Amino acid sequence: GENVGLHLPTLSVQEGDNSIINCAYSNSASDYFIWYKQESGKGPQFIIDIRSNMDKRQGQRVTVLLNKTVKHLSLQIAATQPGDSAVYFCAEKWSGSARQLTFGSGTQLTVLP
Amino acid sequence: DTEVTQTPKHLVMGMTNKKSLKCEQHMGHRAMYWYKQKAKKPPELMFVYSYEKLSINESVPSRFSPECPNSSLLNLHLHALQPEDSALYLCASSEVPWWGREANQPQHFGDGTRLSIL
Repeated sequence: GENVGLHLPTLSVQEGDNSIINCAYSNSASDYFIWYKQESGKGPQFIIDIRSNMDKRQGQRVTVLLNKTVKHLSLQIAATQPGDSAVYFCAEKWSGSARQLTFGSGTQLTVLP
Repeated sequence: DTEVTQTPKHLVMGMTNKKSLKCEQHMGHRAMYWYKQKAKKPPELMFVYSYEKLSINESVPSRFSPECPNSSLLNLHLHALQPEDSALYLCASSEVPWWGREANQPQHFGDGTRLSIL
């Protein structure tokens, strides 16, 4: 399953399928990006990060892709499990600014049995 | 389990009460943060402490008063809150302040305090 950006804040996928969560970030000068997972009743949990000098980074069952040309970030989750159901936030850090993390609006991922 | 511990987990208070939220981390992080999060919204930054000094206040009303007694602890003192202040209050920490040149490291969040103002 795949969402097509912040216009679709919800994504439903079948258990075992791959998920793709997309994020359009705002600042071409951003140099660092993070994906967080937030389960109901909990705080954001760090999943994976990527620096702007990279295009791809892999973790355990997760891959982050960065396309600086179109200011697009995606999170791919392989073999999605029920425990992956949560809200996923992308966040960017603006290089050379005193400002902090800027969060995207989030995507609710629901894994269907 | 998160390495940033927040207490209490839930707090209900009247508009005339005074209460405090507490946050603790033992990761040796030198930057600590307070965020406010409303339902189905991303976290919004309130305060940043760097090396125990207040570095950033995002125009937060004075009824919220942060305090950093030492490098492991962060408090948020609450007084005369309004119903619209009801939210999840999150604490986070990072190894170094976020804006440093070598500071491309993630913030780690606690599970928050769910605050309800009557």
